[in-house]
Amino acid sequence: GAVVSQHPSWVICKSGTSVKIECRSLDFQATTMFWYRQFPKQSLMLMATSNEGSKATYEQGVEKDKFLINHASLTLSTLTVTSAHPEDSSFYICSARSGAGSSYEQYFGPGTRLTVT
Amino acid sequence: DAKTTQPTSMDCAEGRAANLPCNHSTISGNEYVYWYRQIHSQGPQYIIHGLKNNETNEMASLIITEDRKSSTLILPHATLRDTAVYYCIVRTPPMDSSYKLIFGSGTRLLVRP
Repeated sequence: GAVVSQHPSWVICKSGTSVKIECRSLDFQATTMFWYRQFPKQSLMLMATSNEGSKATYEQGVEKDKFLINHASLTLSTLTVTSAHPEDSSFYICSARSGAGSSYEQYFGPGTRLTVT
Repeated sequence: DAKTTQPTSMDCAEGRAANLPCNHSTISGNEYVYWYRQIHSQGPQYIIHGLKNNETNEMASLIITEDRKSSTLILPHATLRDTAVYYCIVRTPPMDSSYKLIFGSGTRLLVRP
């Protein structure tokens, strides 16, 4: 159980365009989802936390107008990179937190590799 | 949250045990030790967690020192598929609904044929 999927697994887009990445919890409801970004040979960096039906909370230094996060349902969150530039090329990973009883665990998606040309 | 210190890289021979250390000298009494790993170009994978007792599951064993200031993740018979970056994270208890995982730099484990 506790499977998180992401779509697409990779995407190439042209500079100036926007791209949307979907994150789904397949077999559980996730009231909270997280978005991370990872550059080559670096660790994961938390970008934002989103709660279903609420505005996302962004980490310091992350531009909320550039990285639009929507968490419209308990199983789906989307990250839209607006007006993408080559420096936005990265590996984007989502995570969903289950909230079953007394234990809250984070489960991770397989990641989406974004290349901006 | 307590900060963790891990070696940048390690290697071991296939079939041998891989012992990955983690120092967390400022850990608080109610904080847990979690281990995740990330295989290249994949999302992180949960391995194991513990509070103060040693833990074992189908993937690994976790040995936590009595003073809880350090721990060791043991992969008993490492395979080439275990080559990954291993992250040791100290976090609040699993019942904390507000927690968010923050990753350090981890240990890059290379399993040699």
